[in-house]
Amino acid sequence: GNSVTQMEGPVTLSEEAFLTINCTYTATGYPSLFWYVQYPGEGLQLLLKATKADDKGSNKGFEATYRKETTSFHLEKGSVQVSDSAVYFCALSNTGNQFYFGTGTSLTVIP
Amino acid sequence: NAGVMQNPRHLVRRRGQEARLRCSPMKGHSHVYWYRQLPEEGLKFMVYLQKENIIDESGMPKERFSAEFPKEGPSILRIQQVVRGDSAAYFCASSPGRHEQYFGPGTRLTVT
Repeated sequence: GNSVTQMEGPVTLSEEAFLTINCTYTATGYPSLFWYVQYPGEGLQLLLKATKADDKGSNKGFEATYRKETTSFHLEKGSVQVSDSAVYFCALSNTGNQFYFGTGTSLTVIP
Repeated sequence: NAGVMQNPRHLVRRRGQEARLRCSPMKGHSHVYWYRQLPEEGLKFMVYLQKENIIDESGMPKERFSAEFPKEGPSILRIQQVVRGDSAAYFCASSPGRHEQYFGPGTRLTVT
């Protein structure tokens, strides 16, 4: 079947620290992979995506590389800001237009 | 191109009443998904619809919940005889196909 497993939170970092949020997946075939971000009181927004193995998605300083050999799509940012405080969701899309989300990882960045 | 619209943004219902949540997908999108998010929890898939068809309702409770996406008009998530445990944020997302989903701002349902 298809599923996504995310690193459990909450994660608390100081401003300018390095961020990694782990995400691994199980899927049949060749899924597309996504990271979404949810700010307090809002809906989810697409942060970045990768559609095939070895693709790197990037946006706003965040990066994630589609690793087929390790079935992973870890989210990284070199220097976090207070404004990055949010909940981050890893997701995959497979055949049939179905989407599968992880449980979310809450990030708090303190000044 | 307007984003995914959901209304109402906030809905208060007494136990036993009905709740109707509406979702207008982005223009050109024929796929709609509903999710529920309980406080301090992740996103739970409920149902996936295309125009006039339910494709996957494996996440929907068997009783009191129903969803539709008619040929004309918004998608509707209907909860009959609400209970306190139905209090949650309900998100709708739309997609043109095998692409990323675009989320609406959500409807926050409070059952008193």
